[in-house]
Amino acid sequence: DTAVSQTPKYLVTQMGNDKSIKCEQNLGHDTMYWYKQDSKKFLKIMFSYNNKELIINETVPNRFSPKSPDKAHLNLHINSLELGDSAVYFCASSPSGRDGYTFGSGTRLTVV
Amino acid sequence: AQSVAQPEDQVNVAEGNPLTVKCTYSVSGNPYLFWYVQYPNRGLQFLLKYITGDNLVKGSYGFEAEFNKSQTSFHLKKPSALVSDSALYFCAVSSGNTGKLIFGQGTTLQVKP
Repeated sequence: DTAVSQTPKYLVTQMGNDKSIKCEQNLGHDTMYWYKQDSKKFLKIMFSYNNKELIINETVPNRFSPKSPDKAHLNLHINSLELGDSAVYFCASSPSGRDGYTFGSGTRLTVV
Repeated sequence: AQSVAQPEDQVNVAEGNPLTVKCTYSVSGNPYLFWYVQYPNRGLQFLLKYITGDNLVKGSYGFEAEFNKSQTSFHLKKPSALVSDSALYFCAVSSGNTGKLIFGQGTTLQVKP
């Protein structure tokens, strides 16, 4: 059983399209996160939800909108995709700030 | 503001030799410190953490890390490197209730036979 699962694993799309990435965790954690890993492997937090409530919203374009229908799911919707959005997007979950994260395997988004 | 620095982009060691991957941090309050490893085309895997207590922390795959408060460092170590340890290693720090992790830029470890 995969603890944190993301779909799709790969996503190739054209500029201007709208796409979604889904994330689900079966660990019972209260908090979920989205991170972006750029081409230089740098990891930057985008959003965090705690039990369906948005608690972290970093400086991210409005084209990115997270949605958490319940505490086990955190989806990321991206409107009007741009070339610069190409990256690997990681979902993660955590029971608390002292416990670190469990990461999903990532979604490699390529915008052409 | 919280920050993490990994001063080496790449560390090269021979198999069987000890390895050290360096990390320094800056955070207000007590830090929660973590090491993660990322293999090619994979997600990040947890190695170990320091929350409080003993400054030497043992983790997965024979790795350990030493917390040094005066030097604000949390270096990752292993007594005898394996070729299979070759990967990208991230140090991270968290403080506060949000659990937000700030990652260093990563260090590529290359272990040669």
